[in-house]
Amino acid sequence: EAQVTQNPRYLITVTGKKLTVTCSQNMNHEYMSWYRQDPGLGLRQIYYSMNVEVTDKGDVPEGYKVSRKEKRNFPLILESPSPNQTSLYFCASSLAGHTDTQYFGPGTRLTVL
Amino acid sequence: AQTVTQSQPEMSVQEAETVTLSCTYDTSENNYYLFWYKQPPSRQMILVIRQEAYKQQNATENRFSVNFQKAAKSFSLKISDSQLGDTAMYFCAFMKHVLGSSNTGKLIFGQGTTLQVKP
Repeated sequence: EAQVTQNPRYLITVTGKKLTVTCSQNMNHEYMSWYRQDPGLGLRQIYYSMNVEVTDKGDVPEGYKVSRKEKRNFPLILESPSPNQTSLYFCASSLAGHTDTQYFGPGTRLTVL
Repeated sequence: AQTVTQSQPEMSVQEAETVTLSCTYDTSENNYYLFWYKQPPSRQMILVIRQEAYKQQNATENRFSVNFQKAAKSFSLKISDSQLGDTAMYFCAFMKHVLGSSNTGKLIFGQGTTLQVKP
Protein backbone atom coordinates (compact mmCIF):
# COMPACT_ATOMS: atom_id res chain seq x y z
CA GLU A 1 0.00 0.00 0.00
CA ALA A 2 1.28 3.44 -1.00
CA GLN A 3 1.61 5.52 2.12
CA VAL A 4 3.47 8.00 4.26
CA THR A 5 4.24 6.76 7.75
CA GLN A 6 5.26 8.70 10.83
CA ASN A 7 6.56 7.59 14.19
CA PRO A 8 5.77 8.04 16.93
CA ARG A 9 2.09 8.96 16.62
CA TYR A 10 2.01 10.42 20.10
CA LEU A 11 4.84 11.78 22.23
CA ILE A 12 5.00 13.57 25.55
CA THR A 13 8.41 14.90 26.49
CA VAL A 14 10.09 17.53 28.62
CA THR A 15 11.78 20.77 27.71
CA GLY A 16 15.30 20.30 26.35
CA LYS A 17 15.19 16.56 25.69
CA LYS A 18 16.21 15.93 22.09
CA LEU A 19 13.75 13.98 19.98
CA THR A 20 13.29 12.77 16.43
CA VAL A 21 10.06 12.18 14.55
CA THR A 22 10.56 9.83 11.64
CA CYS A 23 8.82 10.05 8.28
CA SER A 24 9.00 7.48 5.53
CA GLN A 25 7.26 7.13 2.17
CA ASN A 26 7.17 4.15 -0.17
CA MET A 27 6.06 5.93 -3.33
CA ASN A 28 9.50 6.96 -4.63
CA HIS A 29 8.52 10.60 -4.21
CA GLU A 30 11.18 13.23 -4.68
CA TYR A 31 9.52 15.93 -2.61
CA MET A 32 8.93 15.74 1.13
CA SER A 33 7.83 18.35 3.62
CA TRP A 34 7.01 18.89 7.28
CA TYR A 35 4.07 20.95 8.52
CA ARG A 36 2.79 21.82 11.95
CA GLN A 37 -0.87 22.36 12.70
CA ASP A 38 -2.03 24.73 15.42
CA PRO A 39 -5.61 25.79 16.23
CA GLY A 40 -6.76 28.76 14.19
CA LEU A 41 -3.60 28.79 12.08
CA GLY A 42 -4.12 25.88 9.73
CA LEU A 43 -0.95 24.09 8.69
CA ARG A 44 2.38 25.86 8.28
CA GLN A 45 5.45 24.54 6.52
CA ILE A 46 8.53 23.90 8.67
CA TYR A 47 11.07 22.43 6.21
CA TYR A 48 10.97 20.83 2.83
CA SER A 49 13.20 18.73 0.62
CA MET A 50 13.17 18.70 -3.17
CA ASN A 51 15.38 15.60 -3.34
CA VAL A 52 18.11 13.67 -1.53
CA GLU A 53 20.57 15.96 0.23
CA VAL A 54 18.50 19.04 -0.73
CA THR A 55 16.60 20.68 2.13
CA ASP A 56 15.42 24.20 2.82
CA LYS A 57 13.49 26.23 5.36
CA GLY A 58 9.77 26.79 5.25
CA ASP A 59 7.85 29.44 7.14
CA VAL A 60 8.51 28.30 10.71
CA PRO A 61 11.91 26.53 10.82
CA GLU A 62 13.17 27.86 14.15
CA GLY A 63 13.96 25.10 16.62
CA TYR A 64 13.84 22.31 14.04
CA LYS A 65 16.33 20.41 11.91
CA VAL A 66 15.86 17.91 9.11
CA SER A 67 17.98 15.63 6.97
CA ARG A 68 17.40 13.78 3.71
CA LYS A 69 20.05 11.12 3.34
CA GLU A 70 17.75 8.67 1.60
CA LYS A 71 14.91 9.34 -0.76
CA ARG A 72 12.29 7.60 1.36
CA ASN A 73 13.12 9.14 4.76
CA PHE A 74 12.82 12.68 6.06
CA PRO A 75 13.20 12.85 9.85
CA LEU A 76 12.31 15.95 11.86
CA ILE A 77 14.69 16.68 14.73
CA LEU A 78 14.03 18.87 17.73
CA GLU A 79 17.40 19.40 19.39
CA SER A 80 16.02 21.20 22.45
CA PRO A 81 12.22 21.11 22.44
CA SER A 82 10.27 23.92 24.10
CA PRO A 83 6.60 24.14 25.10
CA ASN A 84 5.80 26.35 22.08
CA GLN A 85 6.62 23.36 19.89
CA THR A 86 3.65 21.48 21.29
CA SER A 87 1.67 20.83 18.14
CA LEU A 88 0.37 18.30 15.64
CA TYR A 89 3.02 17.52 13.03
CA PHE A 90 2.46 16.20 9.53
CA CYS A 91 4.90 14.83 7.03
CA ALA A 92 3.88 15.01 3.37
CA SER A 93 5.33 13.82 0.08
CA SER A 94 4.70 14.27 -3.61
CA LEU A 95 6.28 13.12 -6.83
CA ALA A 96 7.52 16.62 -7.67
CA GLY A 97 7.06 19.51 -5.30
CA HIS A 98 5.67 22.23 -7.48
CA THR A 99 3.16 20.33 -9.55
CA ASP A 100 1.86 17.36 -7.69
CA THR A 101 -0.63 16.61 -5.01
CA GLN A 102 0.91 16.09 -1.60
CA TYR A 103 0.00 13.04 0.42
CA PHE A 104 0.10 13.28 4.17
CA GLY A 105 1.19 10.96 6.93
CA PRO A 106 -1.12 10.22 9.87
CA GLY A 107 0.28 12.98 12.08
CA THR A 108 2.33 13.08 15.30
CA ARG A 109 0.86 14.71 18.37
CA LEU A 110 3.76 16.20 20.35
CA THR A 111 3.44 17.66 23.83
CA VAL A 112 6.43 19.40 25.40
CA LEU A 113 6.09 19.99 29.13
CA ALA B 1 2.67 36.81 -0.08
CA GLN B 2 -0.17 34.45 -0.67
CA THR B 3 -2.91 34.07 1.90
CA VAL B 4 -5.90 31.78 2.17
CA THR B 5 -9.01 32.70 4.15
CA GLN B 6 -11.83 30.48 5.29
CA SER B 7 -14.37 32.75 6.90
CA GLN B 8 -16.65 30.04 8.31
CA PRO B 9 -15.07 28.44 11.41
CA GLU B 10 -18.00 26.05 11.87
CA MET B 11 -20.90 24.84 9.80
CA SER B 12 -23.55 22.20 10.09
CA VAL B 13 -25.81 20.43 7.62
CA GLN B 14 -28.50 17.80 7.78
CA GLU B 15 -27.71 14.42 6.33
CA ALA B 16 -28.56 14.18 2.60
CA GLU B 17 -28.58 17.95 2.15
CA THR B 18 -26.09 20.14 0.30
CA VAL B 19 -23.57 22.44 1.93
CA THR B 20 -21.05 24.92 0.54
CA LEU B 21 -17.80 25.84 2.26
CA SER B 22 -16.18 29.14 1.33
CA CYS B 23 -12.57 29.93 0.58
CA THR B 24 -10.91 33.04 -0.75
CA TYR B 25 -7.27 33.58 -1.50
CA ASP B 26 -4.95 36.39 -2.34
CA THR B 27 -2.15 36.04 -4.87
CA SER B 28 -0.48 37.89 -7.70
CA GLU B 29 0.45 34.60 -9.40
CA ASN B 30 -1.32 33.50 -12.56
CA ASN B 31 -0.46 29.81 -12.40
CA TYR B 32 -1.31 27.89 -9.26
CA TYR B 33 -3.21 24.99 -7.78
CA LEU B 34 -6.01 24.94 -5.26
CA PHE B 35 -6.94 22.05 -3.02
CA TRP B 36 -9.49 21.00 -0.49
CA TYR B 37 -8.30 18.63 2.19
CA LYS B 38 -10.49 16.83 4.71
CA GLN B 39 -9.35 16.12 8.26
CA PRO B 40 -11.71 13.72 10.07
CA PRO B 41 -11.46 13.08 13.81
CA SER B 42 -8.66 10.61 13.08
CA ARG B 43 -6.62 13.72 12.09
CA GLN B 44 -5.50 12.17 8.82
CA MET B 45 -5.26 14.76 6.02
CA ILE B 46 -7.14 13.46 3.01
CA LEU B 47 -7.22 15.10 -0.38
CA VAL B 48 -10.78 15.84 -1.46
CA ILE B 49 -10.35 17.74 -4.70
CA ARG B 50 -7.78 19.66 -6.73
CA GLN B 51 -8.12 22.48 -9.26
CA GLU B 52 -5.56 23.85 -11.68
CA ALA B 53 -5.93 27.60 -12.10
CA TYR B 54 -5.49 27.44 -15.88
CA LYS B 55 -8.54 25.20 -16.21
CA GLN B 56 -11.84 26.99 -16.51
CA GLN B 57 -13.86 23.87 -15.86
CA ASN B 58 -14.69 23.27 -12.22
CA ALA B 59 -13.28 20.08 -10.74
CA THR B 60 -15.67 17.40 -9.48
CA GLU B 61 -15.15 14.21 -7.50
CA ASN B 62 -18.33 12.26 -6.95
CA ARG B 63 -20.37 14.25 -4.43
CA PHE B 64 -17.74 16.97 -4.15
CA SER B 65 -17.45 19.85 -6.56
CA VAL B 66 -15.90 23.28 -6.56
CA ASN B 67 -16.93 26.70 -7.78
CA PHE B 68 -13.68 28.28 -8.93
CA GLN B 69 -13.93 31.99 -9.66
CA LYS B 70 -10.44 33.08 -10.68
CA ALA B 71 -11.16 36.77 -11.06
CA ALA B 72 -12.81 36.89 -7.66
CA LYS B 73 -10.12 34.63 -6.15
CA SER B 74 -12.77 32.38 -4.73
CA PHE B 75 -12.73 28.60 -4.42
CA SER B 76 -15.76 27.14 -2.67
CA LEU B 77 -16.45 23.47 -2.03
CA LYS B 78 -19.91 22.02 -2.49
CA ILE B 79 -20.80 18.75 -0.83
CA SER B 80 -23.95 17.15 -2.17
CA ASP B 81 -26.01 14.47 -0.43
CA SER B 82 -24.05 14.98 2.78
CA GLN B 83 -23.19 11.85 4.73
CA LEU B 84 -22.31 11.37 8.38
CA GLY B 85 -18.80 10.39 7.29
CA ASP B 86 -18.33 13.86 5.85
CA THR B 87 -18.09 15.24 9.38
CA ALA B 88 -14.59 16.69 9.53
CA MET B 89 -12.51 19.82 9.39
CA TYR B 90 -11.99 21.02 5.83
CA PHE B 91 -8.95 22.98 4.73
CA CYS B 92 -8.58 25.03 1.61
CA ALA B 93 -4.99 25.23 0.35
CA PHE B 94 -3.04 27.09 -2.33
CA MET B 95 0.17 26.19 -4.11
CA LYS B 96 1.86 28.27 -6.75
CA HIS B 97 3.17 26.65 -9.89
CA VAL B 98 6.29 28.14 -11.39
CA LEU B 99 7.94 26.11 -14.12
CA GLY B 100 11.67 25.49 -13.92
CA SER B 101 12.18 27.23 -10.63
CA SER B 102 13.23 26.23 -7.17
CA ASN B 103 9.60 26.29 -6.15
CA THR B 104 9.18 25.35 -2.54
CA GLY B 105 6.13 23.22 -3.22
CA LYS B 106 4.66 24.85 -0.17
CA LEU B 107 0.98 24.47 0.51
CA ILE B 108 -0.56 27.54 2.11
CA PHE B 109 -3.55 26.58 4.19
CA GLY B 110 -6.60 28.41 5.40
CA GLN B 111 -7.67 28.22 9.02
CA GLY B 112 -10.13 25.42 8.39
CA THR B 113 -13.91 24.97 8.61
CA THR B 114 -15.36 22.38 10.94
CA LEU B 115 -18.34 20.69 9.32
CA GLN B 116 -20.86 18.73 11.34
CA VAL B 117 -23.28 16.50 9.47
CA LYS B 118 -26.37 15.84 11.57
CA PRO B 119 -28.53 12.74 11.26
